[in-house]
Amino acid sequence: LAKTTQPISMDSYEGQEVNITCSHNNIATNDYITWYQQFPSQGPRFIIQGYKTKVTNEVASLFIPADRKSSTLSLPRVSLSDTAVYYCLVGLYTGGGNKLTFGTGTQLKVEL
Amino acid sequence: EPEVTQTPSHQVTQMGQEVILRCVPISNHLYFYWYRQILGQKVEFLVSFYNNEISEKSEIFDDQFSVERPDGSNFTLKIRSTKLEDSAMYFCASSETASGGRSDTQYFGPGTRLTVL
Repeated sequence: LAKTTQPISMDSYEGQEVNITCSHNNIATNDYITWYQQFPSQGPRFIIQGYKTKVTNEVASLFIPADRKSSTLSLPRVSLSDTAVYYCLVGLYTGGGNKLTFGTGTQLKVEL
Repeated sequence: EPEVTQTPSHQVTQMGQEVILRCVPISNHLYFYWYRQILGQKVEFLVSFYNNEISEKSEIFDDQFSVERPDGSNFTLKIRSTKLEDSAMYFCASSETASGGRSDTQYFGPGTRLTVL
């Protein structure tokens, strides 16, 4: 069964680095990996996207190993406002073709 | 900054009724999507739409669902005969690329909360 799994929750403190991993064993060959942030009652908001190796922007880094079966979102110095649910989005091979699939989501809680 | 908009923000309907959820994607975007999120669960893909036809759909997107781009700006999701289990947040998204949609960022709207009684 094609799945995209993440840890259910993570706790951190302000100023710490947080790494959230997504496992996607059946990722489609040509599909990118995208990470989103979601606050309660809002739509997902784009954080970062990559295909392989490492990508960095002003808010996060994304690490993707050569086999692309997982990816790790790295938030360098979290603050209280980073408390949210984080999702990866990938295309997965399924019996019926490639399907866009969100990960199970990771609730990040940042404390003082 | 351009954004995806959705109306209404909250829709309440009776079981068996038809509902139409509306979205205005970002103006130069070519790919459009609908997702749903049942309360407390993850976001689930429903359908993608390009060049006036469905390009991909999930198992959830059965015959009770349909999508349409009735004019140059709106993108709609119709649920023909709503069921209790259709209660969820429905998100519209759009992306710019015309090369398959896989490698381009999807921008999400704020969602429509559908409540089926």
